[in-house]
Amino acid sequence: DQQVKQNSPSLSVQEGRISILNCDYTNSMFDYFLWYKKYPAEGPTFLISISSIKDKNEDGRFTVFLNKSAKHLSLHIVPSQPGDSAVYFCAAGSNYKLTFGKGTLLTVNP
Amino acid sequence: DGGITQSPKYLFRKEGQNVTLSCEQNLNHDAMYWYRQDPGQGLRLIYYSQIVNDFQKGDIAEGYSVSREKKESFPLTVTSAQKNPTAFYLCASSKQGTSGTSSYEQYFGPGTRLTVT
Repeated sequence: DQQVKQNSPSLSVQEGRISILNCDYTNSMFDYFLWYKKYPAEGPTFLISISSIKDKNEDGRFTVFLNKSAKHLSLHIVPSQPGDSAVYFCAAGSNYKLTFGKGTLLTVNP
Repeated sequence: DGGITQSPKYLFRKEGQNVTLSCEQNLNHDAMYWYRQDPGQGLRLIYYSQIVNDFQKGDIAEGYSVSREKKESFPLTVTSAQKNPTAFYLCASSKQGTSGTSSYEQYFGPGTRLTVT
């Protein structure tokens, strides 16, 4: 049973526009959430995170929103750039372990 | 230059052979992890270790073994008992340990692609 779900396998946006990647979770014990970016045949790189006591965290072009009542988080990238094209993984933490979603392939078209 | 190294990048083995994947970190992190990634799948936790000489099974530990004799090193052995060993294996580390200070932010190595035929 998937505890962390990324329901959109892929997303395509135009350069300069906003990219919104979504993630849903089922386990109420998750208390920390992270987004990772991954290129093919490489390890994921950490992007941004948010604690369950917050509802928003911003870092440059990246903003993560957390809606605990809906068990939903999203990653906003504004403005999107071609170099943002990659697979984005949502991860949720509990008891010092992370559970990952299956990822969303973001393609930013020039 | 701190980081996590995994070697080799590509590894080929015959079915029935055990193989050990290397993972070394010089970030002075307490905790280390092993994941596997299959096409179209997320990362699944195989084993993790929060401190030297201690490790726990993750979600898919069957057919794998690990050791944690040094803080810097966390090798993973894929045994012949693993039914589908061909995958992309990722090692990660984080500051979290048993000291009470924890961090969920895990830093990943470049990965090893294992192909078993």
